[in-house]
Amino acid sequence: DAGVIQSPRHEVTEMGQEVTLRCKPISGHNSLFWYRQTMMRGLELLIYFNNNVPIDDSGMPEDRFSAKMPNASFSTLKIQPSEPRDSAVYFCASSYWGQLNTEAFFGQGTRLTVV
Amino acid sequence: TQLLEQSPQFLSIQEGENLTVYCNSSSVFSSLQWYRQEPGEGPVLLVTVVTGGEVKKLKRLTFQFGDARKDSSLHITAAQPGDTGLYLCAGGRAGNNRKLIWGLGTSLAVNP
Repeated sequence: DAGVIQSPRHEVTEMGQEVTLRCKPISGHNSLFWYRQTMMRGLELLIYFNNNVPIDDSGMPEDRFSAKMPNASFSTLKIQPSEPRDSAVYFCASSYWGQLNTEAFFGQGTRLTVV
Repeated sequence: TQLLEQSPQFLSIQEGENLTVYCNSSSVFSSLQWYRQEPGEGPVLLVTVVTGGEVKKLKRLTFQFGDARKDSSLHITAAQPGDTGLYLCAGGRAGNNRKLIWGLGTSLAVNP
């Protein structure tokens, strides 16, 4: 398996533009997580899905952020409009829910810079 | 409020030295995971501890979960440059261990 695949790896955009981050989880995994990582706040869970259904989106900073999971093999995180304070590394992770203390497998992340 | 405090925040040592990093909380966790993250990559799981007082070894790495399941430590013996990275701890809560609580990490540099 190729692991969790994220695209793009790097994104530079101007303030106000729409940004879409993409994630392909590991085949067979039924939980998917979107995280944001910054130096100041570390890893923050934004939202997670179980069997393609959003379970907890309490970490989504505001209405400018939205996430979808139309099927088991694809998810998107969209920011519209983007702001400079959204600059961070965004990680997607997947795991198999059904076991205690499951391992989360992370993608390589998307480094977003909003100028 | 950071529920999991990791210390030290930064650590730079010479190859061959021993070190210990800590992960502390005032809250009880049902499980505690340690991850290592290298530059440009996502975190990779090293170990999961679930029982108070549990000790697990992974080659030169020794992990311990506190008796009260509120803290954990990672000890590295004879550190090597390949151990360089960001060490993150993440706690799982009973009833919802998918929503991990993360520390800010300890950034370790092992110099040859």
